[in-house]
Amino acid sequence: GNSVTQMEGPVTLSEEAFLTINCTYTATGYPSLFWYVQYPGEGLQLLLKATKADDKGSNKGFEATYRKETTSFHLEKGSVQVSDSAVYFCALWNSGNTPLVFGKGTRLSVIA
Amino acid sequence: NAGVTQTPKFQVLKTGQSMTLQCAQDMNHNSMYWYRQDPGMGLRLIYYSASEGTTDKGEVPNGYNVSRLNKREFSLRLESAAPSQTSVYFCASSESGSSPHFFANTGELFFGEGSRLTVL
Repeated sequence: GNSVTQMEGPVTLSEEAFLTINCTYTATGYPSLFWYVQYPGEGLQLLLKATKADDKGSNKGFEATYRKETTSFHLEKGSVQVSDSAVYFCALWNSGNTPLVFGKGTRLSVIA
Repeated sequence: NAGVTQTPKFQVLKTGQSMTLQCAQDMNHNSMYWYRQDPGMGLRLIYYSASEGTTDKGEVPNGYNVSRLNKREFSLRLESAAPSQTSVYFCASSESGSSPHFFANTGELFFGEGSRLTVL
């Protein structure tokens, strides 16, 4: 079946540090991949996506590249800010009118 | 610009009581979903409705029922609440179409702000 595995948190970084949150997936065929972000007290919102191999999704300084050879979609940001503190979810969609499959989420705390 | 609206935002129940969580979206989306979020477990799908008139079980449907009342509204009912159902519940919606590629082209779920339920 389809599944997503992302690194356990929490991750604590100082402001302006480099961020990587690892995400790997298991799926047949050619899934689409997503990163969602949940700020404190809010619902999830789409951060970025990639729909085919080698695509790079980017938004708000975050990037992730769809690597089919390593079945990965790692989230990166060159310089995090306190306002990036949130829970980040990797997600996968494979076919038809089936729902997204989410990873368990990684909590990021950025300290000034 | 309301998006997805859930009510109530907070609720405390006693074991065995029943309640309904309401969800409405104003984006004319076809698909709607109910998730629960628990520490260490991430987001788990309870039920979803791919289109008006259809509902399907997700990963953790036991103890819940749903109703897709119309295109806008999708409610979640707990008939006999249990402490294990203490959680934060999220409703979401998305565009979808007859083409299997449509969802991949958008891929965006729109979430409500959540409903925190405590069962004593």
